Amino acid sequence: EPEVTQTPSHQVTQMGQEVILRCVPISNHLYFYWYRQILGQKVEFLVSFYNNEISEKSEIFDDQFSVERPDGSNFTLKIRSTKLEDSAMYFCASSERVYTDTQYFGPGTRLTVL
Amino acid sequence: AQSVTQPDIHITVSEGASLELRCNYSYGATPYLFWYVQSPGQGLQLLLKYFSGDTLVQGIKGFEAEFKRSQSSFNLRKPSVHWSDAAEYFCAVGGMEYGNKLVFGAGTILRVKS
Repeated sequence: EPEVTQTPSHQVTQMGQEVILRCVPISNHLYFYWYRQILGQKVEFLVSFYNNEISEKSEIFDDQFSVERPDGSNFTLKIRSTKLEDSAMYFCASSERVYTDTQYFGPGTRLTVL
Repeated sequence: AQSVTQPDIHITVSEGASLELRCNYSYGATPYLFWYVQSPGQGLQLLLKYFSGDTLVQGIKGFEAEFKRSQSSFNLRKPSVHWSDAAEYFCAVGGMEYGNKLVFGAGTILRVKS
């Protein structure tokens, strides 16, 4: 069964450093998402991406964040200058269509900012 | 505001007992409803979903959920819990009224005692 994959599984970085989290969505899916889950809190939507542009973003997704689909298979989330409060589990998801479709989630990347 | 409420943070049941996890959503005439499960250190696995039609939906691992529009609820049930069901369960809502995103509840941690 096709699945969403994410690398790395765990990333440790120093405050102020840039990190790139990588995701490979399911191959025939057209919509891509990033969510995050701070330890002990809800899963929160960050951004959705379709047709090589952001289709929706949350208030969390400020100028420090960016997303990119650099090739036909990868989908990345970049945090330019990490803060302590960026420590969280970051989930990538993909869906074949929007609204009426199921979002399939990857295993997550745990980001720890020191 | 768009929100999902899972009133029970923790639930403990005995193995073999029945289970019901509660979920209420605040907004939407035509919500799309989901239950995901997260085992420790794992990603979010889809258990079941409701888009339209029969309000009682069956999912994987013997789970079912019932959509009650009058109560804005989508409670998850299982007639006989197994020790392997111990995990965190998240209710989520999406659909056109939610844009491109899913809104998650805070989760319910299920403990199973033998």
